[in-house]
Amino acid sequence: NAGVTQTPKFQVLKTGQSMTLQCAQDMNHEYMSWYRQDPGMGLRLIHYSVGAGITDQGEVPNGYNVSRSTTEDFPLRLLSAAPSQTSVYFCASSYSLTGGAGANVLTFGAGSRLTVL
Amino acid sequence: QQPVQSPQAVILREGEDAVINCSSSKALYSVHWYRQKHGEAPVFLMILLKGGEQKGHEKISASFNEKKQQSSLYLTASQLSYSGTYFCGTGAVYYGNNRLAFGKGNQVVVIP
Repeated sequence: NAGVTQTPKFQVLKTGQSMTLQCAQDMNHEYMSWYRQDPGMGLRLIHYSVGAGITDQGEVPNGYNVSRSTTEDFPLRLLSAAPSQTSVYFCASSYSLTGGAGANVLTFGAGSRLTVL
Repeated sequence: QQPVQSPQAVILREGEDAVINCSSSKALYSVHWYRQKHGEAPVFLMILLKGGEQKGHEKISASFNEKKQQSSLYLTASQLSYSGTYFCGTGAVYYGNNRLAFGKGNQVVVIP
């Protein structure tokens, strides 16, 4: 049981390049999300998904795309990388402790550190 | 909108107690607490739900004042392993599932 697996762990891009951060979970969780973490800013939600085929925007979605074709995978695409996207990215999957809204427990992946030059 | 966490940083000696706080301007359904050690991913500690239900770490306690939209995490008889950055995540009633807004974190350092 690997939990949440993110790849790559480190990536350096040049401005304007595109790339995909991969995220896979083997816990059969319906909910998955992407956060970025910048110094002094905490964790900010980029996009999230409540199930295969369903995605929605979070706080800071600009410059990122997501899709959810299977329960297991939730890739994050940077269309045209910018220096402002230099950050640590965390993917999380979650389940509800009570079966109700708002009681989701997040399991985070190990993170992907992205540098855009 | 991010919840506000205070104090920004706490330094305490092993065995001492500390309280860290989280407040939101939105009506909340839930408050979640996570701890992150340097270079690692955040790890779930505790969830507090509207109506008083709590689930999580056995040795850490927390409170949730629903009327004031505030939560406090109590670090009692602190251990060296308590060091890290604590994030509160708030689940707003309006957004429902899975859309947690995290604060900027409380940095806790426990020294021998």
